[in-house]
Amino acid sequence: AQRVTQPEKLLSVFKGAPVELKCNYSYSGSPELFWYVQYSRQRLQLLLRHISRESIKGFTADLNKGETSFHLKKPFAQEEDSAMYYCALSTMFSGGYNKLIFGAGTRLAVHP
Amino acid sequence: DTGVSQDPRHKITKRGQNVTFRCDPISEHNRLYWYRQTLGQGPEFLTYFQNEAQLEKSRLLSDRFSAERPKGSFSTLEIQRTEQGDSAMYLCASSLEGNSGNTIYFGEGSWLTVV
Repeated sequence: AQRVTQPEKLLSVFKGAPVELKCNYSYSGSPELFWYVQYSRQRLQLLLRHISRESIKGFTADLNKGETSFHLKKPFAQEEDSAMYYCALSTMFSGGYNKLIFGAGTRLAVHP
Repeated sequence: DTGVSQDPRHKITKRGQNVTFRCDPISEHNRLYWYRQTLGQGPEFLTYFQNEAQLEKSRLLSDRFSAERPKGSFSTLEIQRTEQGDSAMYLCASSLEGNSGNTIYFGEGSWLTVV
């Protein structure tokens, strides 16, 4: 079964501390993983995808197929990083389209 | 704002009434998705359109739910005979086939409360 697990509902850190939001997935095919973020009163938006191997707002995420994980990391958290973070797995269908399967989300709270 | 827009943003209805939500995707996006999100959960896939064709429906979409995209542009999601369990945020999203990484863009959602 295709599944995304985010074990922490809430992660609370102080400004400047390192952050790691955990994500594990279950998928028999070749996975495509994403992190979406939702800031207060804003829509869900893409933060980064594993195929881009980029750093957005200081965040990075590495796909570890052996551990089936895609943890989101940032070395020094900022207060503006406080938001809801969702890990998502893209599943591809024979018609060439895809849909996203989301985890339950982790709320990151960065305190001054 | 040229993003995905949804209407209404909030709807309170009595159990047993019908409700309809509208979604206007980003212009020229041929793929359109509906998701449902309940408190404490991530969005759950409901259905997918490619242009005007509805290509997939989740088992979450009971017979009381119907979605249309008549001209391959805007879409509607209707819930008939609403139940309290239908209370949720209904999210619409769109993407453009062939764009970089098939990025899916979400609307702000329509909150439904069934009383």
